[in-house]
Amino acid sequence: SAVISQKPSRDICQRGTSLTIQCQVDSQVTMMFWYRQQPGQSLTLIATANQGSEATYESGFVIDKFPISRPNLTFSTLTVSNMSPEDSSIYLCSASPWGGSPYNEQFFGPGTRLTVL
Amino acid sequence: KNEVEQSPQNLTAQEGEFITINCSYSVGISALHWLQQHPGGGIVSLFMLSSGKKKHGRLIATINIQEKHSSLHITASHPRDSAVYICAVEFKGAQKLVFGQGTRLTINP
Repeated sequence: SAVISQKPSRDICQRGTSLTIQCQVDSQVTMMFWYRQQPGQSLTLIATANQGSEATYESGFVIDKFPISRPNLTFSTLTVSNMSPEDSSIYLCSASPWGGSPYNEQFFGPGTRLTVL
Repeated sequence: KNEVEQSPQNLTAQEGEFITINCSYSVGISALHWLQQHPGGGIVSLFMLSSGKKKHGRLIATINIQEKHSSLHITASHPRDSAVYICAVEFKGAQKLVFGQGTRLTINP
């Protein structure tokens, strides 16, 4: 199994600012994912981050708004840029130890609860 | 279109009752996951299934590939089981999960 931690756990930010969320895994993993969960909604995949390559973004999400770094096999960051109140959500990081299909299991971080005023 | 539907959306029961949450999906899958999300937001992976049945404590997950349907059962439910339960599917050929809308379960003492 993999244990995932996220920082910060929550934050309240002003409109127009940016926030970087960190995701740390206690073991090396192949694939890392960033999700957004808007209030009352289920999870939506923002992007997939593999070490050594550019992140792959889902439809409706762009790199300028959500830049992602994946400098090594245990760490990733997601930045929410130029925030607006519509960005208020829980942002979750997850990791899958193995690449390919099917995943054996996907482990989730505790989430970052973001409120934009 | 790759879709995942859960039912019911909300479920309230008394402690000790047997709970069933259902998940249906539209096309062939590689794997199906059942996840639990507590009010603080953190998500725990309960099961990953590609066929048959799995059991862990009071939790049982089954999947019927032909009918494109999975169920999560909780026996002897307890207030600490109160959470949102989410079905997530990896469709064949797609290396990502598609999530159901979740089932909010409340167990009253």
